[in-house]
Amino acid sequence: DGGITQSPKYLFRKEGQNVTLSCEQNLNHDAMYWYRQDPGQGLRLIYYSQIVNDFQKGDIAEGYSVSREKKESFPLTVTSAQKNPTAFYLCACRDRDNQPQHFGDGTRLSIL
Amino acid sequence: AQTVTQSQPEMSVQEAETVTLSCTYDTSESDYYLFWYKQPPSRQMILVIRQEAYKQQNATENRFSVNFQKAAKSFSLKISDSQLGDAAMYFCAYRSAGYGGSQGNLIFGKGTKLSVKP
Repeated sequence: DGGITQSPKYLFRKEGQNVTLSCEQNLNHDAMYWYRQDPGQGLRLIYYSQIVNDFQKGDIAEGYSVSREKKESFPLTVTSAQKNPTAFYLCACRDRDNQPQHFGDGTRLSIL
Repeated sequence: AQTVTQSQPEMSVQEAETVTLSCTYDTSESDYYLFWYKQPPSRQMILVIRQEAYKQQNATENRFSVNFQKAAKSFSLKISDSQLGDAAMYFCAYRSAGYGGSQGNLIFGKGTKLSVKP
């Protein structure tokens, strides 16, 4: 079955530590997205990539970094510069046609 | 920049009754898409229904239908015959037509939490 997989489901970060969230898709979609979700807020866009080896900042990119070395993979690194990383992170992908975005099941990141 | 507003943080409905969730948006574009996503306690984002702005006919998916008023920039979701499994956060989202640049990025409202009473 084609889909989009995020791992791990739960992640804990120590102060000053960088952590990486994984997002893999086998739908052969060109575009991939990372969103952050906080309580009482909708999803906010962190980074997006429309093609391999290219990505763009979203609305809240500070303290985060990404890479897109392969079409199927779009990992998100939460750096120590992100002072409030506790949130639910969702990855999504979309093809070039006008179909909706497909979402992964998310990663819950907490501070130790 | 486009914005999406959901003015009802929480709603409640009796099982088997009908409920309508409100969404308004602001845009200067003429071609775009609107979506309703459901997020149950599992946190998975599930597409409920989509509407193309160029279509005047309101979209329908089984018990879910929309009232799309383009001039008023309004996009409400009606859930008929509500079921316990409909309890979730519901997000309204906007997307420009096209693919290049920031087109294709979803802009979300803050959500409406729907409770269903047995």
